[in-house]
Amino acid sequence: GAGVSQSPRYKVAKRGQDVALRCDPISGHVSLFWYQQALGQGPEFLTYFQNEAQLDKSGLPSDRFFAERPEGSVSTLKIQRTQQEDSAVYLCASSLVLAVSYQETQYFGPGTRLLVL
Amino acid sequence: KNQVEQSPQSLIILEGKNCTLQCNYTVSPFSNLRWYKQDTGRGPVSLTIMTFSENTKSNGRYTATLDADTKQSSLHITASQLSDSASYICVVSSGGSYIPTFGRGTSLIVHP
Repeated sequence: GAGVSQSPRYKVAKRGQDVALRCDPISGHVSLFWYQQALGQGPEFLTYFQNEAQLDKSGLPSDRFFAERPEGSVSTLKIQRTQQEDSAVYLCASSLVLAVSYQETQYFGPGTRLLVL
Repeated sequence: KNQVEQSPQSLIILEGKNCTLQCNYTVSPFSNLRWYKQDTGRGPVSLTIMTFSENTKSNGRYTATLDADTKQSSLHITASQLSDSASYICVVSSGGSYIPTFGRGTSLIVHP
């Protein structure tokens, strides 16, 4: 497809369960971001990849959160031992090159809505 | 700390009416400001992007303004349509940082 896709779209997990969220960026996009969006809030930065390199993971809320992009395309965000406070929409965004430059816009996927019971 | 504040938090208008959404920021140094539209259950979609030297940018019925001196931006929607019902998010990027600062968004509801 032409856009960023994410799967699953919805995930219900029991507290303590591990989950894995997938992001397929636009083909050829170098930069990939993960964001967490709580209900009624703007997205909060989690982590950033440039190709396969994770350049910044300062936004990950705890060591239960882990992200990877081993081949520089598809990325997976893994949450171990989920807690109720992890309930949120997890957005993935990609851009052609480094997103800080004027020309670059981040293209967002539809998000994965995670509910931890 | 870089911050982006948006107002109002929510807004209800009748179809066909105009409205203006506000964004104030304290991000420094400033690189660019984007307005995104986020439909329910969807990811944000870029509407406009402006740099320091740009005062106005239009995209159809959407017109964004930027006053870099007062660090304020507005998004004006003309002749609103039902499909304009969404959350509008102001996002400011800082020079030298790839982590943008997002506002909480303004939730707009357009009633027939």
